[in-house]
Amino acid sequence: GQNIDQPTEMTATEGAIVQINCTYQTSGFNGLFWYQQHAGEAPTFLSYNVLDGLEEKGRFSSFLSRSKGYSYLLLKELQMKDSASYLCAVMDSNYQLIWGAGTKLIIKP
Amino acid sequence: GAVVSQHPSRVICKSGTSVKIECRSLDFQATTMFWYRQFPKQSLMLMATSNEGSKATYEQGVEKDKFLINHASLTLSTLTVTSAHPEDSSFYICSARGRRETEAFFGQGTRLTVV
Repeated sequence: GQNIDQPTEMTATEGAIVQINCTYQTSGFNGLFWYQQHAGEAPTFLSYNVLDGLEEKGRFSSFLSRSKGYSYLLLKELQMKDSASYLCAVMDSNYQLIWGAGTKLIIKP
Repeated sequence: GAVVSQHPSRVICKSGTSVKIECRSLDFQATTMFWYRQFPKQSLMLMATSNEGSKATYEQGVEKDKFLINHASLTLSTLTVTSAHPEDSSFYICSARGRRETEAFFGQGTRLTVV
């Protein structure tokens, strides 16, 4: 079956760095997405990785290892507004998105 | 990025009535539309996928006759919740993807409350 695993909840301190991991097992792979979702709102796109390596975009970076079925989202210089759920999603061989349950990130002052 | 507009953002309806939710792609042609529902503190659950001009493909467990999806044009898809019940209360989100796009762009979501 298809499966996306990510931690349910993480806590970090304002100004610090946090890494949110995602492991996946899917039928085929056409890229991995990270989305941010604030409570009561629709998800917003953060990053897309289809090749191995690190993609950096401002304070956010995303890493992918296809051989390990593993990705992480790295958030630097955490701000209170970064408190949200972070969703990992993999596009399978049918170009359908398989979603993880999301990681709720709590930022403390 | 591309813009997807979903309307209404919130709706309260009486049990037994029907509610229509619209999803529009404003600056691109959406060849594929996805409809999700999300219960509190849970991940997105795909309900159905629709391609322009074709019937929607529903996920297992989603009632086709209850959740009517229409994707008649490249810029508009609608989800109609028929004979709504309190258990249909949820957050419904659409996303749209163009022919040349890998990313799917999300609408703002609709909070449906059935009383």
